Amino acid sequence: DAGVTQSPTHLIKTRGQQVTLRCSPKSGHDTVSWYQQALGQGPQFIFQYYEEEERQRGNFPDRFSGHQFPNYSSELNVNALLLGDSALYLCASSLVASTSTDTQYFGPGTRLTVL
Amino acid sequence: AQKITQTQPGMFVQEKEAVTLDCTYDTSDPSYGLFWYKQPSSGEMIFLIYQGSYDQQNATEGRYSLNFQKARKSANLVISASQLGDSAMYFCAMREGRSGYSTLTFGKGTMLLVSP
Repeated sequence: DAGVTQSPTHLIKTRGQQVTLRCSPKSGHDTVSWYQQALGQGPQFIFQYYEEEERQRGNFPDRFSGHQFPNYSSELNVNALLLGDSALYLCASSLVASTSTDTQYFGPGTRLTVL
Repeated sequence: AQKITQTQPGMFVQEKEAVTLDCTYDTSDPSYGLFWYKQPSSGEMIFLIYQGSYDQQNATEGRYSLNFQKARKSANLVISASQLGDSAMYFCAMREGRSGYSTLTFGKGTMLLVSP
C-alpha cells in the first residue's frame, strides 16, 4: 500500500524566485491538503483540494497556489519567495467519503530554504 | 485563543516507563475529532490515534491510549512501556465539524526524550 510521497526532499531558492512542490496521495485517497511547518511550530493549514478544486484555504496570501490533477496528485506553487517562506511543507491525503475518521496521512515533507 | 494547547515543551521518561503528554482544546462545535501525530527528526508526521467527540470509550492503539475528558476539554496521550524509538515530537490536532472536507489545527508540540 503506497503511502503519501512528496518531491523534492529538499530545495534551496533565493528571494523572489518561484517554487513548485509535488505530492502523490496514499492509494485510494482523493483529497490532498497542504501544510506549512515553520521551525519549532506545529503545521499550519494552507489549502485543500478535492475533485481538482480548492475546497478550503487557510490564512495564506495569494502567492501560495495549488492544483490537483485527475489522478489526485497535487502541486503547491509559491511565487515571489520571501525569507519567511523557509519551512517544511507537508502534504496530507485523506478520503472525503470516509464515514469514520477521515484521518489525514502525511508525506515526508519538502524542506524549503529561501536565501 | 489557541484552539489546541500543549503546555509541555519537553518531557523526559526512562525506557519501559509510561508517560502522559497533555493536550487541551477549545471548540464550540459539538462534532469534532482529536488526533495525535508523532514527528521524528526525519520530518514525517505519523498518525498514532484518533478520538471522536461522540465516542463513548477512550481510544487505544497498541501502546498508545487517549485519555479523553470531554468536560475538561482534554485529550491526553498515554504511551505505555516507552521505547527508545518513541523519542520524537508529538503533536495534538483537532478537526472541527463532521468528517469530510476537514482541516486540522495543530498544537505546538511536545518533545519526548526516552532515556535507557
